[in-house]
Amino acid sequence: GQQLNQSPQSMFIQEGEDVSMNCTSSSIFNTWLWYKQDPGEGPVLLIALYKAGELTSNGRLTAQFGITRKDSFLNISASIPSDVGIYFCAGRAGGTSYGKLTFGQGTILTVHP
Amino acid sequence: DTAVSQTPKYLVTQMGNDKSIKCEQNLGHDTMYWYKQDSKKFLKIMFSYNNKELIINETVPNRFSPKSPDKAHLNLHINSLELGDSAVYFCASSQDRGHGEAFFGQGTRLTVV
Repeated sequence: GQQLNQSPQSMFIQEGEDVSMNCTSSSIFNTWLWYKQDPGEGPVLLIALYKAGELTSNGRLTAQFGITRKDSFLNISASIPSDVGIYFCAGRAGGTSYGKLTFGQGTILTVHP
Repeated sequence: DTAVSQTPKYLVTQMGNDKSIKCEQNLGHDTMYWYKQDSKKFLKIMFSYNNKELIINETVPNRFSPKSPDKAHLNLHINSLELGDSAVYFCASSQDRGHGEAFFGQGTRLTVV
Protein backbone atom coordinates (compact mmCIF):
# COMPACT_ATOMS: atom_id res chain seq x y z
CA GLY A 1 0.00 0.00 0.00
CA GLN A 2 0.91 3.63 -0.16
CA GLN A 3 3.30 4.93 2.47
CA LEU A 4 4.26 8.45 3.40
CA ASN A 5 7.54 9.20 5.05
CA GLN A 6 7.41 12.47 6.98
CA SER A 7 10.48 14.14 8.44
CA PRO A 8 11.70 15.25 10.80
CA GLN A 9 9.81 13.34 13.50
CA SER A 10 10.28 16.20 15.94
CA MET A 11 11.75 19.70 16.04
CA PHE A 12 12.76 21.94 18.92
CA ILE A 13 13.22 25.53 17.83
CA GLN A 14 13.44 29.04 19.23
CA GLU A 15 10.66 31.52 18.70
CA GLY A 16 11.30 33.49 15.54
CA GLU A 17 13.07 30.70 13.69
CA ASP A 18 11.86 29.26 10.41
CA VAL A 19 10.75 25.64 10.20
CA SER A 20 10.77 23.19 7.32
CA MET A 21 9.29 19.72 7.14
CA ASN A 22 8.63 17.39 4.25
CA CYS A 23 6.89 14.25 3.10
CA THR A 24 7.89 11.74 0.48
CA SER A 25 5.77 9.01 -0.97
CA SER A 26 6.45 5.68 -2.63
CA SER A 27 3.70 6.45 -5.15
CA ILE A 28 2.05 9.38 -6.88
CA PHE A 29 -0.59 11.53 -5.22
CA ASN A 30 -3.12 13.86 -6.86
CA THR A 31 -3.59 15.99 -3.77
CA TRP A 32 -1.36 16.96 -0.88
CA LEU A 33 -2.77 18.35 2.35
CA TRP A 34 -1.11 19.69 5.46
CA TYR A 35 -2.84 19.50 8.83
CA LYS A 36 -2.04 20.67 12.34
CA GLN A 37 -3.24 18.86 15.43
CA ASP A 38 -3.35 20.44 18.89
CA PRO A 39 -3.56 18.22 22.00
CA GLY A 40 -7.04 16.81 22.51
CA GLU A 41 -8.27 18.15 19.18
CA GLY A 42 -8.80 16.86 15.69
CA PRO A 43 -6.47 17.72 12.78
CA VAL A 44 -7.15 21.15 11.28
CA LEU A 45 -6.49 21.77 7.61
CA LEU A 46 -3.73 24.31 6.94
CA ILE A 47 -3.04 24.12 3.22
CA ALA A 48 -4.36 22.08 0.27
CA LEU A 49 -2.34 21.51 -2.91
CA TYR A 50 -3.85 20.15 -6.11
CA LYS A 51 -1.29 20.55 -8.91
CA ALA A 52 2.29 19.38 -9.31
CA GLY A 53 4.63 22.33 -8.75
CA GLU A 54 1.95 24.36 -6.98
CA LEU A 55 3.25 26.69 -4.27
CA THR A 56 0.63 27.97 -1.83
CA SER A 57 0.84 30.27 1.18
CA ASN A 58 -1.42 30.73 4.17
CA GLY A 59 -0.04 33.53 6.33
CA ARG A 60 3.36 32.43 7.63
CA LEU A 61 2.89 28.97 6.13
CA THR A 62 4.04 27.97 2.66
CA ALA A 63 3.65 24.54 1.11
CA GLN A 64 4.63 23.07 -2.23
CA PHE A 65 3.41 20.11 -4.28
CA GLY A 66 6.51 18.41 -5.67
CA ILE A 67 7.00 18.15 -9.41
CA THR A 68 7.28 14.38 -9.26
CA ARG A 69 3.95 14.28 -7.33
CA LYS A 70 5.69 12.10 -4.77
CA ASP A 71 6.66 14.77 -2.27
CA SER A 72 5.59 17.95 -0.55
CA PHE A 73 7.09 20.34 1.95
CA LEU A 74 5.74 22.80 4.51
CA ASN A 75 7.61 25.86 5.71
CA ILE A 76 6.67 28.00 8.69
CA SER A 77 8.36 31.36 8.90
CA ALA A 78 9.05 33.35 12.08
CA SER A 79 7.63 30.71 14.40
CA ILE A 80 5.59 31.73 17.45
CA PRO A 81 4.67 29.71 20.57
CA SER A 82 1.18 28.90 19.26
CA ASP A 83 2.75 27.02 16.34
CA VAL A 84 3.39 24.19 18.80
CA GLY A 85 1.61 20.99 17.80
CA ILE A 86 1.81 17.98 15.51
CA TYR A 87 1.92 18.64 11.78
CA PHE A 88 0.72 15.97 9.38
CA CYS A 89 1.04 15.68 5.66
CA ALA A 90 -1.64 13.70 3.87
CA GLY A 91 -1.90 12.54 0.29
CA ARG A 92 -4.80 11.45 -1.85
CA ALA A 93 -4.36 9.21 -4.86
CA GLY A 94 -6.85 8.51 -7.61
CA GLY A 95 -8.30 5.23 -8.79
CA THR A 96 -9.69 2.87 -6.17
CA SER A 97 -8.19 5.02 -3.41
CA TYR A 98 -10.52 7.83 -4.45
CA GLY A 99 -11.22 10.00 -1.41
CA LYS A 100 -8.95 8.14 0.98
CA LEU A 101 -6.20 10.16 2.69
CA THR A 102 -2.88 8.54 3.57
CA PHE A 103 -1.15 10.32 6.44
CA GLY A 104 2.49 10.80 7.30
CA GLN A 105 3.74 9.93 10.78
CA GLY A 106 3.63 13.55 11.92
CA THR A 107 6.20 16.15 12.96
CA ILE A 108 6.04 17.26 16.58
CA LEU A 109 6.97 20.94 16.77
CA THR A 110 8.09 22.57 20.01
CA VAL A 111 8.76 26.30 20.07
CA HIS A 112 10.74 27.79 22.94
CA PRO A 113 9.90 31.41 23.74
CA ASP B 1 -21.54 26.02 15.28
CA THR B 2 -19.37 22.89 15.11
CA ALA B 3 -18.88 21.59 11.56
CA VAL B 4 -18.10 17.96 12.40
CA SER B 5 -19.19 16.86 15.84
CA GLN B 6 -18.80 13.47 17.42
CA THR B 7 -19.96 12.04 20.71
CA PRO B 8 -18.84 11.06 23.20
CA LYS B 9 -15.47 12.78 23.53
CA TYR B 10 -14.29 10.19 26.05
CA LEU B 11 -15.36 6.58 26.39
CA VAL B 12 -14.02 4.17 29.00
CA THR B 13 -15.38 0.66 28.90
CA GLN B 14 -14.57 -2.91 29.80
CA MET B 15 -13.36 -5.61 27.45
CA GLY B 16 -16.16 -7.49 25.79
CA ASN B 17 -18.62 -4.61 25.84
CA ASP B 18 -20.34 -3.14 22.78
CA LYS B 19 -20.19 0.61 22.26
CA SER B 20 -21.15 3.22 19.66
CA ILE B 21 -19.69 6.55 18.60
CA LYS B 22 -21.86 9.05 16.77
CA CYS B 23 -20.85 11.65 14.20
CA GLU B 24 -22.74 14.46 12.53
CA GLN B 25 -21.62 17.07 10.01
CA ASN B 26 -23.47 20.24 9.11
CA LEU B 27 -21.28 21.17 6.13
CA GLY B 28 -23.55 19.62 3.51
CA HIS B 29 -20.77 17.22 2.53
CA ASP B 30 -21.47 13.99 0.66
CA THR B 31 -18.62 11.90 2.05
CA MET B 32 -17.83 10.91 5.63
CA TYR B 33 -14.98 8.94 7.12
CA TRP B 34 -13.78 7.19 10.24
CA TYR B 35 -10.07 7.38 11.05
CA LYS B 36 -8.22 5.72 13.90
CA GLN B 37 -5.25 7.39 15.63
CA ASP B 38 -3.03 5.06 17.63
CA SER B 39 -0.82 5.81 20.62
CA LYS B 40 2.00 6.92 18.28
CA LYS B 41 -0.38 9.47 16.70
CA PHE B 42 -0.51 7.59 13.41
CA LEU B 43 -3.77 8.28 11.56
CA LYS B 44 -5.27 5.53 9.42
CA ILE B 45 -8.53 5.42 7.54
CA MET B 46 -11.06 2.79 8.55
CA PHE B 47 -14.20 3.49 6.53
CA SER B 48 -15.64 5.96 4.07
CA TYR B 49 -19.25 6.53 3.08
CA ASN B 50 -20.47 8.54 0.11
CA ASN B 51 -24.15 9.46 0.16
CA LYS B 52 -24.83 6.64 2.64
CA GLU B 53 -22.96 4.09 0.50
CA LEU B 54 -19.84 2.34 1.83
CA ILE B 55 -16.94 3.07 -0.54
CA ILE B 56 -13.86 2.31 1.54
CA ASN B 57 -13.41 -0.50 4.06
CA GLU B 58 -9.77 -0.77 5.07
CA THR B 59 -9.47 -4.33 6.38
CA VAL B 60 -11.07 -3.45 9.66
CA PRO B 61 -12.23 -6.36 11.90
CA ASN B 62 -15.89 -7.32 11.54
CA ARG B 63 -16.46 -6.17 15.10
CA PHE B 64 -16.45 -2.64 13.71
CA SER B 65 -19.64 -1.76 11.86
CA PRO B 66 -20.28 1.71 10.49
CA LYS B 67 -23.78 2.88 9.76
CA SER B 68 -24.90 5.96 7.84
CA PRO B 69 -28.61 6.72 8.31
CA ASP B 70 -28.27 9.79 6.07
CA LYS B 71 -25.41 11.65 4.47
CA ALA B 72 -25.01 13.98 7.47
CA HIS B 73 -24.50 11.16 9.95
CA LEU B 74 -22.01 8.33 10.25
CA ASN B 75 -21.95 6.19 13.36
CA LEU B 76 -19.46 3.55 14.41
CA HIS B 77 -20.51 0.54 16.41
CA ILE B 78 -17.90 -1.72 17.97
CA ASN B 79 -18.75 -5.18 19.29
CA SER B 80 -16.80 -7.23 21.81
CA LEU B 81 -14.28 -4.51 22.57
CA GLU B 82 -10.64 -5.55 22.96
CA LEU B 83 -7.73 -3.84 24.71
CA GLY B 84 -6.15 -3.13 21.32
CA ASP B 85 -9.17 -1.08 20.29
CA SER B 86 -8.03 1.68 22.65
CA ALA B 87 -7.28 4.69 20.46
CA VAL B 88 -8.68 8.02 19.37
CA TYR B 89 -11.32 7.70 16.67
CA PHE B 90 -11.91 10.65 14.36
CA CYS B 91 -14.86 11.30 12.16
CA ALA B 92 -14.27 13.47 9.09
CA SER B 93 -16.18 14.71 6.09
CA SER B 94 -15.40 16.10 2.66
CA GLN B 95 -17.49 17.69 -0.09
CA ASP B 96 -17.34 14.58 -2.20
CA ARG B 97 -14.92 11.73 -2.65
CA GLY B 98 -13.14 13.66 -5.36
CA HIS B 99 -12.02 16.34 -2.90
CA GLY B 100 -9.29 15.62 -0.41
CA GLU B 101 -10.09 18.51 1.92
CA ALA B 102 -11.36 16.46 4.82
CA PHE B 103 -12.59 18.27 7.92
CA PHE B 104 -12.18 16.42 11.19
CA GLY B 105 -14.18 16.20 14.37
CA GLN B 106 -12.61 16.57 17.81
CA GLY B 107 -12.15 12.84 18.26
CA THR B 108 -13.40 10.20 20.67
CA ARG B 109 -10.79 8.80 23.03
CA LEU B 110 -11.74 5.17 23.61
CA THR B 111 -10.09 3.36 26.49
CA VAL B 112 -10.77 -0.34 26.93
CA VAL B 113 -9.88 -1.74 30.36
